[in-house]
Amino acid sequence: NAGVMQNPRHLVRRRGQEARLRCSPMKGHSHVYWYRQLPEEGLKFMVYLQKENIIDESGMPKERFSAEFPKEGPSILRIQQVVRGDSAAYFCASSPRRTGKNTEAFFGQGTRLTVV
Amino acid sequence: GQQLNQSPQSMFIQEGEDVSMNCTSSSIFNTWLWYKQDPGEGPVLLIALYKAGELTSNGRLTAQFGITRKDSFLNISASIPSDVGIYFCAGQEVTLSEKLVFGKGTKLTVNP
Repeated sequence: NAGVMQNPRHLVRRRGQEARLRCSPMKGHSHVYWYRQLPEEGLKFMVYLQKENIIDESGMPKERFSAEFPKEGPSILRIQQVVRGDSAAYFCASSPRRTGKNTEAFFGQGTRLTVV
Repeated sequence: GQQLNQSPQSMFIQEGEDVSMNCTSSSIFNTWLWYKQDPGEGPVLLIALYKAGELTSNGRLTAQFGITRKDSFLNISASIPSDVGIYFCAGQEVTLSEKLVFGKGTKLTVNP
């Protein structure tokens, strides 16, 4: 059973370009979380999605960032007009249901975005 | 937003030594989690704690959920070189999303 798959593992974008980060959850998982990690920092929550629904986007910057989790296909985190400050590792985690007691989310290996 | 204070920031120990790290919060969490992250990888769950006062072990790892629900510690006994990495505590918020709030990590170096 494959784990959470994120691609690409590394992404380089010039300032002003768009970045699209993909996350395929574990089989049977319909809940996806996105987190961002700056160097030397812990992970910070961005958005929580279920299939076709955004449940909590309280950690998403108001502009340029969007996320989706369509009925078919991976979850996508999209960053438009990237700036240097967007350089970070972006992690996706998936779970079979809303996380809570005895239900943990499993993390992917992350996408390292570098904006030049 | 909520913040977790994790300490120490880094530790340099000799193989075979025991290690202890802890996290404190100004807010209550219903769940505390401890993760390990290797360079270039995602966090891997080590221990999950669900009840205040709970003490849980996973091999050489032991973690406790503080009775006030505002703190947790992780102990590693008889450290080995492969314990090297960054250890993160995380509290799970009591919200619709139950998102995780992470500490800044403890970087562990084990000298053989």
